[in-house]
Amino acid sequence: AQRVTQPEKLLSVFKGAPVELKCNYSYSGSPELFWYVQYSRQRLQLLLRHISRESIKGFTADLNKGETSFHLKKPFAQEEDSAMYYCALRNYGGSQGNLIFGKGTKLSVKP
Amino acid sequence: GAVVSQHPSRVICKSGTSVKIECRSLDFQATTMFWYRQFPKQSLMLMATSNEGSKATYEQGVEKDKFLINHASLTLSTLTVTSAHPEDSSFYICSAGPRRTEFQETQYFGPGTRLLVL
Repeated sequence: AQRVTQPEKLLSVFKGAPVELKCNYSYSGSPELFWYVQYSRQRLQLLLRHISRESIKGFTADLNKGETSFHLKKPFAQEEDSAMYYCALRNYGGSQGNLIFGKGTKLSVKP
Repeated sequence: GAVVSQHPSRVICKSGTSVKIECRSLDFQATTMFWYRQFPKQSLMLMATSNEGSKATYEQGVEKDKFLINHASLTLSTLTVTSAHPEDSSFYICSAGPRRTEFQETQYFGPGTRLLVL
């Protein structure tokens, strides 16, 4: 079954520290993975997706098919990075490509 | 970028009444829109896929007669919670993408609608 697992509900780091938000997936085909971010009182928005291989706001994520992971990393966290982060998997076999979300990780960056 | 709006942003209603939530794509056409529900401190769960000009596709466990979806145009989908009960209280979020079969497109999310059923 298709599934996205984010093992950490809350991740708290100090400003300037490295941060890694974990995401593991289960998918039978070739996965398409995303990271979405939701800042306080704002809507969900796309942060990055693996096919773009881009770095957004200093965040990167590499798809590791061997470990079925798509961890989100940033070398130096900033206070403005505090938000909810959701890892998502495109469900090709489902309803026309809907997204399957993990439960989310709340990142708290302390000054 | 593309914008998706939802109306209302918040609604409080009495048990037994029906509530309609609108989802609009403001600057693009969306043949497909997705409706999600998010309970407090939980993830988004897909409820149904709204298809313009055809019936919606509901996920397992979602009652189609309770959650009526109408995708009347390429820019508007509505979700009607019929005979709402307190357990329907939740955060309802819609998303839309510009093209139906192009899986490379990005999903744009609405701001969500907070429903509280008393």
